[in-house]
Amino acid sequence: KAGVTQTPRYLIKTRGQQVTLSCSPISGHRSVSWYQQTPGQGLQFLFEYFSETQRNKGNFPGRFSGRQFSNSRSEMNVSTLELGDSALYLCASSFYRLAGGTDTQYFGPGTRLTVL
Amino acid sequence: QQPVQSPQAVILREGEDAVINCSSSKALYSVHWYRQKHGEAPVFLMILLKGGEQKGHEKISASFNEKKQQSSLYLTASQLSYSGTYFCGTEYPPTQGAQKLVFGQGTRLTINP
Repeated sequence: KAGVTQTPRYLIKTRGQQVTLSCSPISGHRSVSWYQQTPGQGLQFLFEYFSETQRNKGNFPGRFSGRQFSNSRSEMNVSTLELGDSALYLCASSFYRLAGGTDTQYFGPGTRLTVL
Repeated sequence: QQPVQSPQAVILREGEDAVINCSSSKALYSVHWYRQKHGEAPVFLMILLKGGEQKGHEKISASFNEKKQQSSLYLTASQLSYSGTYFCGTEYPPTQGAQKLVFGQGTRLTINP
């Protein structure tokens, strides 16, 4: 099975611009989560999507948004970029999660975003 | 809410053992362990569910102490390939089936020949 893929792998933007990152989960996986990784803050949860619905959200400003399509592919968007948004953005997919259950998350290689 | 990992960094010689701890101030539902090498994505190692179970994979094993809200990762007879940063991701009693992992700051493990 192919792993989680993310595009693009690297991105350079300037302050004030917006950016869209894409994530294709492992075939058959229906849940997609997004994380931001920085040296100072570590790995921080952004949001999770399942069946095109956002089920959980982290403590990030409204400039960060996402969506999931019917084929489980997901995109995240960051508007009005700030210098502090420079980070590695990781997407993780999991098969399915029943209420009260848990599931393994498999991470993609990430998109390295640099904001100048 | 972020779990605390200790130690923050450890340097070992090949063949030595290491223990990495992950502690939470809140009741845990599960603990997920990952290893990340520089420039790569985190790679899943194992999940521990509440109940004090212990899991193992080759020479890497982990335990979950529900009373202490702590998980420990044990690396036995370390190999050079074990080098990397280890993260624990904690999951709290879930609601509506949604999944959210809160990660610790990581423990950097360096194995020298």
